[in-house]
Amino acid sequence: DAKTTQPTSMDCAEGRAANLPCNHSTISGNEYVYWYRQIHSQGPQYIIHGLKNNETNEMASLIITEDRKSSTLILPHATLRDTAVYYCIVRPYSGNTPLVFGKGTRLSVIA
Amino acid sequence: GAVVSQHPSWVICKSGTSVKIECRSLDFQATTMFWYRQFPKQSLMLMATSNEGSKATYEQGVEKDKFLINHASLTLSTLTVTSAHPEDSSFYICSAPNRTNNYGYTFGSGTRLTVV
Repeated sequence: DAKTTQPTSMDCAEGRAANLPCNHSTISGNEYVYWYRQIHSQGPQYIIHGLKNNETNEMASLIITEDRKSSTLILPHATLRDTAVYYCIVRPYSGNTPLVFGKGTRLSVIA
Repeated sequence: GAVVSQHPSWVICKSGTSVKIECRSLDFQATTMFWYRQFPKQSLMLMATSNEGSKATYEQGVEKDKFLINHASLTLSTLTVTSAHPEDSSFYICSAPNRTNNYGYTFGSGTRLTVV
């Protein structure tokens, strides 16, 4: 079973920041938080991951609370192409354990 | 880098026939490949894990004789849906560990299987 909880759906206006929350209250000390997204009828795409510090890359920012029990993915300027299902996943950094997908958040970016 | 090429993108087959789906790692060696399926409006469900040169391990409820997995080389894993039925219609996706820069996983583009 997935170890994360996310809202089922969210809307965001084009050009605004999209903030997607995720709860992972049972996360272990050796587990990272990963975010993937799946655009309709495509394979999931890696976005970002982090352990305890905030992370930023060209796609998004990841804010992890100090107790690591929750995190927020931020898309700073959402576009219509960001409409997708976003999955928050926790897993150990190393090893070949498969990703376990929860239901994710369906983000709709509206013009 | 770290691309997994999955073919075909979509396939329609008749009930009772078999369909083979291929996943190739183009610029890295995939010693492990995970196979998922996804029904409409649902999340990805892990079906099986294949390791190069050994037998695949299947998740509970997945019939190993129906979903044949072969991982004979470090760059190719195949999933064959045997004696397909309409209830096997789904979106099948493969994924391999990506150790190039993020220790995440690279996914294939998926195969939409429709059994008529």
